[in-house]
Amino acid sequence: DQQVKQNSPSLSVQEGRISILNCDYTNSMFDYFLWYKKYPAEGPTFLISISSIKDKNEDGRFTVFLNKSAKHLSLHIVPSQPGDSAVYFCAASDSNYQLIWGAGTKLIIKP
Amino acid sequence: DGGITQSPKYLFRKEGQNVTLSCEQNLNHDAMYWYRQDPGQGLRLIYYSQIVNDFQKGDIAEGYSVSREKKESFPLTVTSAQKNPTAFYLCASNPTRTGTHGYTFGSGTRLTVV
Repeated sequence: DQQVKQNSPSLSVQEGRISILNCDYTNSMFDYFLWYKKYPAEGPTFLISISSIKDKNEDGRFTVFLNKSAKHLSLHIVPSQPGDSAVYFCAASDSNYQLIWGAGTKLIIKP
Repeated sequence: DGGITQSPKYLFRKEGQNVTLSCEQNLNHDAMYWYRQDPGQGLRLIYYSQIVNDFQKGDIAEGYSVSREKKESFPLTVTSAQKNPTAFYLCASNPTRTGTHGYTFGSGTRLTVV
């Protein structure tokens, strides 16, 4: 049973536009959420995170929104750039401080 | 430069063989993790270690073994009991046992059974 779901395997966005990546979770005990970015044949790199006590966290072009009642979070990238093309993983922290990962969304930025 | 080094980058294994994947970190992190990535799936936790000489099974530990004799090193052995070992393996470390903010990943090892 997947506790963290990224329902879109891929997303294609025009350069300069906004990219919105979505993530849903089922466990209301998750208290910390993270987004990682992964290029092919490399390990994921940390992008941005949000605590469950907040509903928004911003870092430059990246903003993460958390809707606890809907058990939904999203990552907004604006404006999208060619270097943003990668696989984005959503992860949630459980009570044992282990990360539960989504399946990833492949973002393709079109020139 | 601090980081995590995984070796080899590509590994081929014959059926019935055990192979060991190396993971070394010079970040002085307490916690280390092994994940497996398969196409269309998220990262699945194989084993993790929060202190030296101690490690815990993750969600898919069957067919794998680990050791943590030194803080810097957390090798993963894929045994012949692992029925479907072909995958991309990622090692990660974390500064503290309870922190989730600072996972650092290695560049991965792609294991293929031939």
